[in-house]
Amino acid sequence: KAGVTQTPRYLIKTRGQQVTLSCSPISGHRSVSWYQQTPGQGLQFLFEYFSETQRNKGNFPGRFSGRQFSNSRSEMNVSTLELGDSALYLCASSLVWTNTEAFFGQGTRLTVV
Amino acid sequence: AQSVSQHNHHVILSEAASLELGCNYSYGGTVNLFWYVQYPGQHLQLLLKYFSGDPLVKGIKGFEAEFIKSKFSFNLRKPSVQWSDTAEYFCAVMLGYSSASKIIFGSGTRLSIRP
Repeated sequence: KAGVTQTPRYLIKTRGQQVTLSCSPISGHRSVSWYQQTPGQGLQFLFEYFSETQRNKGNFPGRFSGRQFSNSRSEMNVSTLELGDSALYLCASSLVWTNTEAFFGQGTRLTVV
Repeated sequence: AQSVSQHNHHVILSEAASLELGCNYSYGGTVNLFWYVQYPGQHLQLLLKYFSGDPLVKGIKGFEAEFIKSKFSFNLRKPSVQWSDTAEYFCAVMLGYSSASKIIFGSGTRLSIRP
């Protein structure tokens, strides 16, 4: 069974640009959540989608957005990039949206210059 | 606000030493508990999990953890570490019956094993 797949693995963007990251969950999993990992802040929850609906949102500015498609694949978008957005963005998928473990992808390493 | 505390930021041990990594959380309700490991350059992997039942849970690679509800703790243990255990370890708490995404992570403990 394939794991959680995130693309691209590495990305370099310039301040002010926007970026879209993609996540394909484990087959059959319907919940996808996103985390930002930085050395200073650790792992912070961004948002979670289930059945194409955003169920939860973390404490991030509106520049961070996401969506989920009918096949459970998810994208997250960051507009007007700032240097502080440089981080490892992790996607996790779960079978359902409550009370189950999450499986993580390898992440997308975003560098903003 | 709910939080997860990992007491040690960096632990250095020699091979065959015993390991205990501390984890405490602040939440009075039902919790599900996890330990994840992140090997250098790799993704987060689940080491073990506690949902209910026996508070002593066994995970992969010889790791175990004990949930002590009265102490709000979920410490990770391994009797004899190996060089390959060098990694970062994250304790995580899912608030009971909440979304699978409401996982609060600790800041992580970097474990270095001297060969």
